Amino acid sequence: NAGVMQNPRHLVRRRGQEARLRCSPMKGHSHVYWYRQLPEEGLKFMVYLQKENIIDESGMPKERFSAEFPKEGPSILRIQQVVRGDSAAYFCASSPRGVGNTEAFFGQGTRLTVV
Amino acid sequence: DAKTTQPPSMDCAEGRAANLPCNHSTISGNEYVYWYRQIHSQGPQYIIHGLKNNETNEMASLIITEDRKSSTLILPHATLRDTAVYYCIVSADNAGNMLTFGGGTRLMVKP
Repeated sequence: NAGVMQNPRHLVRRRGQEARLRCSPMKGHSHVYWYRQLPEEGLKFMVYLQKENIIDESGMPKERFSAEFPKEGPSILRIQQVVRGDSAAYFCASSPRGVGNTEAFFGQGTRLTVV
Repeated sequence: DAKTTQPPSMDCAEGRAANLPCNHSTISGNEYVYWYRQIHSQGPQYIIHGLKNNETNEMASLIITEDRKSSTLILPHATLRDTAVYYCIVSADNAGNMLTFGGGTRLMVKP
């Protein structure tokens, strides 16, 4: 059973371009969480999705950021018109149900660099 | 906002037990205590979790006080590979919950 797969592992974008980060949860997991980690800082929750639904997006910036988790395929975190401040590591996690009384499995992250 | 308080850093000698404390004085009755760690810049790794009873697995032991206001993660024989940031998190068993990470404790295991 493969773990949570994130790709690409490293992504370089110029200011103003779009960044698409993909997360394939573990088999059988229908809950996905995205976190952002700025350099030398902690992990900040962004969004929680369950198949085709956004459950909580309280940590998502109001503009330029969006996330989806379609019925088929990976979860996508999309950042439009990237700026230098978007440079960070983006981690996704999956769980078979909400994280209460169960563990979440994290991917190895996508490191976004905006130049 | 994180509901836990942890010391920012700790040192431990290789081969000795590492005891990492966590205060969660406002924990609710339905909230679990979780521990995760992040080695260097890798993705966080689950270690253990519990509600009120002490728990043990192949990685660590979790000791929760009777009033549940604090807990201790114990790595019985720390190795250099245990050097990481350790996060103590409380989260309720409700649909729609996520893990909220605080600053964690940076554990340095020294030879």
